[in-house]
Amino acid sequence: GQNIDQPTEMTATEGAIVQINCTYQTSGFNGLFWYQQHAGEAPTFLSYNVLDGLEEKGRFSSFLSRSKGYSYLLLKELQMKDSASYLCAVTDSNYQLIWGAGTKLIIKP
Amino acid sequence: TAGITQAPTSQILAAGRSMTLRCTQDMRHNAMYWYRQDLGLGLRLIHYSNTAGTTGKGEVPDGYSVSRANTDDFPLTLASAVPSQTSVYFCASTRDGTSGGASEQFFGPGTRLTVL
Repeated sequence: GQNIDQPTEMTATEGAIVQINCTYQTSGFNGLFWYQQHAGEAPTFLSYNVLDGLEEKGRFSSFLSRSKGYSYLLLKELQMKDSASYLCAVTDSNYQLIWGAGTKLIIKP
Repeated sequence: TAGITQAPTSQILAAGRSMTLRCTQDMRHNAMYWYRQDLGLGLRLIHYSNTAGTTGKGEVPDGYSVSRANTDDFPLTLASAVPSQTSVYFCASTRDGTSGGASEQFFGPGTRLTVL
């Protein structure tokens, strides 16, 4: 079957760095997305990786290793507003989007 | 630009009743999707439409139906609601017509449905 694994919850301190991991087993691969979802709100797009390597976008970076079925989202200079759930999603060979359950990130002052 | 709107925002429904959740987008996106989101689970695809006039089944289609008469609207109907359909429902769209594809998905604000 198809599966995406992410930690259920993580805690970090304001101003610090946190890395949220995502591993996947899917039938084929056509790209990996990260979305941010604040409590009670809709998911919003953060990043897209289709090739191996690091994509940097301001305080957020996303890394992909296709051979390892692994990605991470790196958040730097954490702010209280970064408290949210972070969803990993993979597009399989049929271009179906498979979603992880999300990682709830709690930022403490 | 409004993006995607959903109605109602929330609803309490008696089991056995029918209900239509509305979704409208103004981005002229080809593809639209309905998801449900339950605590501890990832977003699960209910139905999708790659382009106006076509629809397809997702991961959890039973008990739900959709139609896509035009580009902008993609209503989701529960013919006879059951308590297990209590969830938060999100409508989403992408520019291209593949099911999910490699395009960023834009989400509506969601409908919180409780079936008693």
